[in-house]
Amino acid sequence: AQTVTQSQPEMSVQEAETVTLSCTYDTSESNYYLFWYKQPPSRQMILVIRQEAYKQQNATENRFSVNFQKAAKSFSLKISDSQLGDTAMYFCAFMKTATNKLIFGTGTLLAVQP
Amino acid sequence: DSGVTQTPKHLITATGQRVTLRCSPRSGDLSVYWYQQSLDQGLQFLIQYYNGEERAKGNILERFSAQQFPDLHSELNLSSLELGDSALYFCASSATMNTEAFFGQGTRLTVV
Repeated sequence: AQTVTQSQPEMSVQEAETVTLSCTYDTSESNYYLFWYKQPPSRQMILVIRQEAYKQQNATENRFSVNFQKAAKSFSLKISDSQLGDTAMYFCAFMKTATNKLIFGTGTLLAVQP
Repeated sequence: DSGVTQTPKHLITATGQRVTLRCSPRSGDLSVYWYQQSLDQGLQFLIQYYNGEERAKGNILERFSAQQFPDLHSELNLSSLELGDSALYFCASSATMNTEAFFGQGTRLTVV
């Protein structure tokens, strides 16, 4: 069975600074996808970024980028130039190919301080 | 706005009752998923439908059932409700397999 671990329950960062959220996962699969979802106080689950395991290049979406280390089974999220609107719970998620079933970590609550 | 619509947004009901949560997927999406988010269990996958057929089951209780209709909307039925069923229930949809899922705003269920 696959598991996703987020070891940082809470983090804080100053506005305009950079922060990295950690995620590790355990799987015996070779083909899979990894995601970061953001859940602001509104409770909406918003897709932040996606990474295909077969791609060596790290995914980037504007201020959000990942550091994907397949051998280490690590998938961290870097947020650059943090903004107040980035304050949210961030979930790392694993999806085995052809299942579309997401397995979530326990989340990291990120607070961006003015 | 993700394009996934869930109704109602909030629901308060008594123990032992039955409720139905409704989900309309994004236009064109064939796959619908239900997730439960609770304080003690976190975000858990319940069930998936693809074009009307059940495709995968997660930690869904026998008291819970779901279906996807020909117009692709889905309903999650929760019966014999218990206090522990209080949670945020999300519906998500995706176009096909191996594409990212987009989530609705959730239905907050409170069982009293």
